[in-house]
Amino acid sequence: NAGVTQTPKFQVLKTGQSMTLQCAQDMNHEYMSWYRQDPGMGLRLIHYSVGAGITDQGEVPNGYNVSRSTTEDFPLRLLSAAPSQTSVYFCASSPALRGSTQYFGPGTRLTVL
Amino acid sequence: SQQGEEDPQALSIQEGENATMNCSYKTSINNLQWYRQNSGRGLVHLILIRSNEREKHSGRLRVTLDTSKKSSSLLITASRAADTASYFCATDYDYKLSFGAGTTVTVRA
Repeated sequence: NAGVTQTPKFQVLKTGQSMTLQCAQDMNHEYMSWYRQDPGMGLRLIHYSVGAGITDQGEVPNGYNVSRSTTEDFPLRLLSAAPSQTSVYFCASSPALRGSTQYFGPGTRLTVL
Repeated sequence: SQQGEEDPQALSIQEGENATMNCSYKTSINNLQWYRQNSGRGLVHLILIRSNEREKHSGRLRVTLDTSKKSSSLLITASRAADTASYFCATDYDYKLSFGAGTTVTVRA
């Protein structure tokens, strides 16, 4: 199993551009989530999904959209990139909502100029 | 926010010594998890302790949980250079995981 995969690994955007960060998992997990990691702030939850067709907002959802059309994929869209969105983005999946290990992808390092 | 807070922010120890880090959180939780992150990599799950458990062991790791004090500790015994990493606690509440800012551990040879 590949686990949780993320593409791209690195990305540079100009302010105002849009893009989609890809996340896929091959473990048939129902629960998937997106986090951003900024220096000294730990991980903050952006959006999460409890199954195909169901998504909800996390702690810092503004400026991001998600959709979950299949169990495997959970893309994160930046609508109009801003320098404040410069961060490292991690996707994670887990088999259950509670009391379950989260499996993290390797991350996407995004810089917005 | 439910975010846990780790203490200390950074820790430097000699190989073979023990490393202890603490996590405090604000409200009731279902469980608490510890993760490790090596530089530039994704997080790796270490151990999960449920709210009705007080102590748990996994290899050289020992985790305690005191729900009355809303705190947890992670002990790494007989540290190795490979233990150099950042360690995060994550509290499970309301179907979400909330992470602290982490403790950066450096193990000197």
